[in-house]
Amino acid sequence: DIQMTQSPSTLSASVGDRVTITCRASQSISSWLAWYQHKPGNAPKLLIYKASSLESGVPSRFSGSGSGTEFTLTISSLLPDDFATYYCQQYNTYPFTFGPGTKVDIK
Amino acid sequence: QVQLVQSGAEVKKPGASVKISCKASGYTFTDYYIHWVRQAPGQGLEWMGWINPSSGGTNYAQNFQGRITMTRDTSISTAYMELSRLRSDDTAVYYCATEGCSAGNCAYFDYWGQETLVTVSS
Repeated sequence: DIQMTQSPSTLSASVGDRVTITCRASQSISSWLAWYQHKPGNAPKLLIYKASSLESGVPSRFSGSGSGTEFTLTISSLLPDDFATYYCQQYNTYPFTFGPGTKVDIK
Repeated sequence: QVQLVQSGAEVKKPGASVKISCKASGYTFTDYYIHWVRQAPGQGLEWMGWINPSSGGTNYAQNFQGRITMTRDTSISTAYMELSRLRSDDTAVYYCATEGCSAGNCAYFDYWGQETLVTVSS
């Protein structure tokens, strides 16, 4: 199975901060990577697919980049609604696997 | 608008089976694969498999092979996931989700159900 890792596991930030989360795959997944935002009691929300494509309706402060084994999710200016856990997911190879998550909390 | 409505919470004993439904609306049910993902308490997300609502074809994660069955009823736009021989570590919230597109590599998930909590306890 392809192992996905994320760093950091927890990130303390303030409203207005620029935030970057890194996701690494144990082998190349080309650009077949998605990012989700997850809040307790809610379903995950798709933010980015194919590494850098912004899902319709997702604010442009979210962006994704990378290919191969290293990827980043950037939030350009954190808003209160952005405090959540973020997961990456590879869909290059079965079984599809998720990273362990990065919790973004209030500093 | 696209909606996936899942069945309610379940409490099961070890060794039993659970069957969760996922009723789709707002789009053509047979156009998009449906995947199932779960999250155990304090854990991350785990992909379980998919069903092609058009053909009924399935693909299951190896971790669940032999215990999982995905089916669908196109007449009522509903997908089902049945997990058998339940163990305590199957306690989790379960989600259905649709693939993000209908052609090419689309196995990212743009619409999700509201979650179904399954508790396995003696």
